[in-house]
Amino acid sequence: GNSVTQMEGPVTLSEEAFLTINCTYTATGYPSLFWYVQYPGEGLQLLLKATKADDKGSNKGFEATYRKETTSFHLEKGSVQVSDSAVYFCALRLTGGGNKLTFGTGTQLKVEL
Amino acid sequence: NAGVTQTPKFQVLKTGQSMTLQCAQDMNHNSMYWYRQDPGMGLRLIYYSASEGTTDKGEVPNGYNVSRLNKREFSLRLESAAPSQTSVYFCASTQGTTNEKLFFGSGTQLSVL
Repeated sequence: GNSVTQMEGPVTLSEEAFLTINCTYTATGYPSLFWYVQYPGEGLQLLLKATKADDKGSNKGFEATYRKETTSFHLEKGSVQVSDSAVYFCALRLTGGGNKLTFGTGTQLKVEL
Repeated sequence: NAGVTQTPKFQVLKTGQSMTLQCAQDMNHNSMYWYRQDPGMGLRLIYYSASEGTTDKGEVPNGYNVSRLNKREFSLRLESAAPSQTSVYFCASTQGTTNEKLFFGSGTQLSVL
């Protein structure tokens, strides 16, 4: 079946540190890949997406590259801020699958001064 | 813009009680979804409605029913609540089956004692 595996958290970083949150997937076919972010007390928001191999999604300083050869979509940011503290979810959607997303378990990021 | 509105935000039930979670969106979206979020398990799809008048089971539909009352509203009903249904419930919507961005409500925290 389709699945998404994320690194376990919490990830605790100092402000201005480099961030990587790993995400790998298993899917039949060619999925679109997403990162959603959930700030405390809120619903999820789309952070970035990539729809085909080698695409790079980017938003708010975050980036992720769709790597078909390693079935990965790792999230990176060069310099995190305290305001980036949130839970990050990797997700996939199969072509023809409507909008039914399969989510990973989420990775909590804590950024400290 | 209100976006996706869920009520109530918090609810405590006793085992065997029933309740309905309400969801409404004001973005004229065609598709609506109910997810549950549990620690260590990410988000799992309960039911979805691809368009007004249609509903389909997701990954974990047992113990739930849904109603797509009109294009704006999609409710989730627990007929006989069980402790295993203690979770945070999220409603989401999207324009259509080819639009990948989901808009989420802020969630309902449900405890079943």
